[in-house]
Amino acid sequence: QVQLQESGPGLVKPSQTLSLTCTISGGSISSGTYYWSWIRQPAGKGLEWIGRIYTSGTTNYNPSLKSRVTISLDTSKNQFSLKLSSVTAADTAVYYCAADGYNYWFDPWGQGTLVTVSS
Amino acid sequence: QSALTQPASVSGSPGQSITISCTGTSSDVGSYNLVSWYQQHPGKAPKLMIYEGIKRPSGVSNRFSGSKSGNTASLTISGLQAEDEADYYCCSYAGSSTSVFGGGTKLTVL
Repeated sequence: QVQLQESGPGLVKPSQTLSLTCTISGGSISSGTYYWSWIRQPAGKGLEWIGRIYTSGTTNYNPSLKSRVTISLDTSKNQFSLKLSSVTAADTAVYYCAADGYNYWFDPWGQGTLVTVSS
Repeated sequence: QSALTQPASVSGSPGQSITISCTGTSSDVGSYNLVSWYQQHPGKAPKLMIYEGIKRPSGVSNRFSGSKSGNTASLTISGLQAEDEADYYCCSYAGSSTSVFGGGTKLTVL
């Protein structure tokens, strides 16, 4: 089964852009078996779906974040990435990447990475 | 796109059954059999327990089952065990290739 691992800065300043990468092992990102999603969870709160990318490069985003989010694919590195612009403290959360089944279920997940927005 | 509604907490004794509800709208839960359920232990990533409303992934105990009526999906755990104590989240397809999660339910095994 594929495994996912998030990486990126743990601290981002307000108004800057948060950038994270998810590296896939045990399978090819372009195999067509999965789509790929980002999901976040503020401390002590629930999960929020951020967006997904298809192997074609087509993306879909949460309408509440759409204006600030970009998800992209790098098939040569077997990675997909998240960029969230103009961050505020409200964007502080654990960010997860997940394999996205064709019928909108998420499995497996990465271990998650904490991103804190603070000056 | 509003979060699905789950009870904040439920509890049960070992061996009992509990049900967690997940209420959405006719734009999400009510229109699609695409609800999934996740179990999350403290400090861990969520784990898929039910997908497409009623299906169990390989390796998930058959004590976990899913159902749906109208705009409300439900997760039932029978034969409650101490290890089931965790947070549970539902998620539904919400149209236009988007997904929406519930607010989460904390299950306490008494």
